[in-house]
Amino acid sequence: GQNIDQPTEMTATEGAIVQINCTYQTSGFNGLFWYQQHAGEAPTFLSYNVLDGLEEKGRFSSFLSRSKGYSYLLLKELQMKDSASYLCAGRGADGLTFGKGTHLIIQP
Amino acid sequence: EADIYQTPRYLVIGTGKKITLECSQTMGHDKMYWYQQDPGMELHLIHYSYGVNSTEKGDLSSESTVSRIRTEHFPLTLESARPSHTSQYLCASSEGGVNNSPLHFGNGTRLTVT
Repeated sequence: GQNIDQPTEMTATEGAIVQINCTYQTSGFNGLFWYQQHAGEAPTFLSYNVLDGLEEKGRFSSFLSRSKGYSYLLLKELQMKDSASYLCAGRGADGLTFGKGTHLIIQP
Repeated sequence: EADIYQTPRYLVIGTGKKITLECSQTMGHDKMYWYQQDPGMELHLIHYSYGVNSTEKGDLSSESTVSRIRTEHFPLTLESARPSHTSQYLCASSEGGVNNSPLHFGNGTRLTVT
């Protein structure tokens, strides 16, 4: 089976940096995805990690530590449009399992 | 521009009615999925398909059925809708044979059963 844990809600300030953590327990681990989902919309793909280390894509970076079952999504230079839910999803032997998502609130 | 389309976007229907939620993709993806998501909750996989004439049930027990007669089309049918079926239904697709292939989601169908 699989278990994904991430904080329910976080608040950050426009222009700042925020780190959203995700821990996972996955049998047959085969990669971790991050998705962004604005209210009432479909999730959109942000990043994928299968090896340890940091993957950087513009303002967004994602980190993975397989030995610790841990990942984080780092958002820099926050903008108001970054207010959304961020979904961590682990791929394992049973397929892809999503966490409940972290609702990120950006304040001016 | 969306490459995966779901219709209808919103649907309000009475108990006992039969409904079909449509999903089509133009990317030629082999894998297609149906997820159910309640507000503030995680996505739950209810059905998936790895190709034409292949369908499997997901983690979440569902009274719905699916079919995959064509690569691009993956409709979901509820034979007799109940209020407990009220939820958002998200269709997704991904490339076959590629582990790091992300899911591409449709805009979803928000279903209300009265």
